[in-house]
Amino acid sequence: AQSVAQPEDQVNVAEGNPLTVKCTYSVSGNPYLFWYVQYPNRGLQFLLKYITGDNLVKGSYGFEAEFNKSQTSFHLKKPSALVSDSALYFCAVRPHTGGFKTIFGAGTRLFVKA
Amino acid sequence: DADVTQTPRNRITKTGKRIMLECSQTKGHDRMYWYRQDPGLGLRLIYYSFDVKDINKGEISDGYSVSRQAQAKFSLSLESAIPNQTALYFCATSDLRDSTDTQYFGPGTRLTVL
Repeated sequence: AQSVAQPEDQVNVAEGNPLTVKCTYSVSGNPYLFWYVQYPNRGLQFLLKYITGDNLVKGSYGFEAEFNKSQTSFHLKKPSALVSDSALYFCAVRPHTGGFKTIFGAGTRLFVKA
Repeated sequence: DADVTQTPRNRITKTGKRIMLECSQTKGHDRMYWYRQDPGLGLRLIYYSFDVKDINKGEISDGYSVSRQAQAKFSLSLESAIPNQTALYFCATSDLRDSTDTQYFGPGTRLTVL
């Protein structure tokens, strides 16, 4: 079965430190990969996506994500965390074939402490 | 995303009541989706529609129905609400021309069934 795993329910970092939010997937072929962010009382917002090419994808608000095909991972990173980055982050996968459906991970809550 | 609106934002209802959640979008997108979000489960797809004449069940459609009244409007109904339908509901849209299916979400409706 196709799936997306976010192994950490919560990630805590200090402001100014680098952050990583992990995502691995089990999908056949070469899927499109996404990160979305959800701030309190808001809907999900698109952050970045991997289509093809360069394994490092840059997105909004200084975030970037690294695609690793051999490890089927797509980890979200930021060199220097801000308190305002505190939110719920969702990894998502859109297979190229086998039906039309984007699969979302369970979400990882990021807390950035001042 | 202000281009995708949902009404109501909050609703408390009783078991057995019929309830409708509404979604409108000004993005001009053909694809529309309804998801529910539960803690620890991420987003699960209820129904989706590619145009006014196209309605498809998602992974958890039992107990729900939808209506695509126009390209811009997609409503979700709970025919007879039950407590385990208490959740956060999101509407989303995407552009038919976007093969990656990047999705744009409304602010959500928090539904409580007593």
